[in-house]
Amino acid sequence: AQSVTQLGSHVSVSEGALVLLRCNYSSSVPPYLFWYVQYPNQGLQLLLKYTTGATLVKGINGFEAEFKKSETSFHLTKPSAHMSDAAEYFCAVSVAWGDKIIFGKGTRLHILP
Amino acid sequence: KAGVTQTPRYLIKTRGQQVTLSCSPISGHRSVSWYQQTPGQGLQFLFEYFSETQRNKGNFPGRFSGRQFSNSRSEMNVSTLELGDSALYLCASSLVGDGTDTQYFGPGTRLTVL
Repeated sequence: AQSVTQLGSHVSVSEGALVLLRCNYSSSVPPYLFWYVQYPNQGLQLLLKYTTGATLVKGINGFEAEFKKSETSFHLTKPSAHMSDAAEYFCAVSVAWGDKIIFGKGTRLHILP
Repeated sequence: KAGVTQTPRYLIKTRGQQVTLSCSPISGHRSVSWYQQTPGQGLQFLFEYFSETQRNKGNFPGRFSGRQFSNSRSEMNVSTLELGDSALYLCASSLVGDGTDTQYFGPGTRLTVL
């Protein structure tokens, strides 16, 4: 069965600094990988997803993630943090048509002025 | 195009009662999934419906049930409520529920059990 581990339940970065949120997955077959963001009192919004093809995936709001099969990782990055990026971020994995999506525990991103 | 809507947004119940939550997916979407979100357990998958059939189910007791109607709207029911059922319940819709399919989430229903 697949699983997702997000390293760090809370991450703080200064405004303008690099954002790096870590995600490692476990899957016996090639996975589909997702990053979602959740702002306070809202549902989740898809940031980006990897299905097949190019391993560097660009998403909304300047975020991108790279699928590294050898490291079983799908870390999320953004070159320059903005105050509006403060939110909770979820990494997720699924493996097949009709299969459920498994979410990580989430990482709350704090932006320091 | 309207997004996923969930009603009600907030609900307060007492132990032993039952509750029904509603989810209206994006027009044209046939797959609806339900999740429970709590600070301790994070996002946990409850079940997924596609064309009125439950296709996937998470590890929740039988007190949690759901259904989907012919217009793809879905309801989730929790019977004999327990304090631990207090959570944000999120509904997500997608076109066909393919593993690559993008899920669109509603704002959630916050259930408080007293």
